[in-house]
Amino acid sequence: SQTIHQWPATLVQPVGSPLSLECTVEGTSNPNLYWYRQAAGRGLQLLFYSIGIDQISSEVPQNLSASRPQDRQFILSSKKLLLSDSGFYLCAWGGRANTGELFFGEGSRLTVL
Amino acid sequence: DAKTTQPNSMESNEEEPVHLPCNHSTISGTDYIHWYRQLPSQGPEYVIHGLTSNVNNRMASLAIAEDRKSSTLILHRATLRDAAVYYCILVAGSARQLTFGSGTQLTVLP
Repeated sequence: SQTIHQWPATLVQPVGSPLSLECTVEGTSNPNLYWYRQAAGRGLQLLFYSIGIDQISSEVPQNLSASRPQDRQFILSSKKLLLSDSGFYLCAWGGRANTGELFFGEGSRLTVL
Repeated sequence: DAKTTQPNSMESNEEEPVHLPCNHSTISGTDYIHWYRQLPSQGPEYVIHGLTSNVNNRMASLAIAEDRKSSTLILHRATLRDAAVYYCILVAGSARQLTFGSGTQLTVLP
C-alpha cells in the first residue's frame, strides 16, 4: 500500500534561518507531488507541485523553493525564513489521472520567531 | 480557475443527516468535483468525488445538480467524529492542482 511521510513534525526557527522539510512517498511510482501551506485559521494554499523529477511549478512567489531530486522525494526549502512563513505545511501525492484523491502527509508545523 | 462558494459554518445534531452545499457556477465541462475534510491539526482527508452523476461511498453521498453549477455533500448520520472543515474543490488539468477555498466548518452537537 502507498504511504506518505513528512518530517519534521514540528520545528521552531528564528527569522533568517534556513528551512528544509522533506516528504517521501512509498508504494507508488511517478506520482504528482504537492506542497501546501495553511496559516493559522486559514485555508490551504498551494505552494508547489511537481509532475516528475526536477519538474517543479510554483504557484505563489515567495522566498520558498522546492526540489524533487528523486521520483518519490519532495523537499521544501528556504534560505532565510520570514515571520510570515509560519504555518502548517502539508505534502501530498496523487496519481496521474484527473480523478481520484490526493493523499496528504501528517503535516509539519513551523513557527518562525 | 473555477472557484467554489461554501457557507462558512454549519451545525448539525448528532445522528441527523447533514447537507453541505457548494456553488461552482463557473465549472468547466472537464472539472471534477472533489470533497475533502480536515480535522484539527491534520492533513485533509479525501471524502468523495464526481463528474456528472451522483456518487455514494462508505463515507458520504455526493449529489450533483443537472447543470453542474452546484453540488451537495450528504452525511447520512452525523457523528461527533464528523466535525471538521469540509472543502469543495474543482479539479482540472493534467497536474491536478487542487485549489482549496475556506471550506465549511461543520459543528456536530451531541
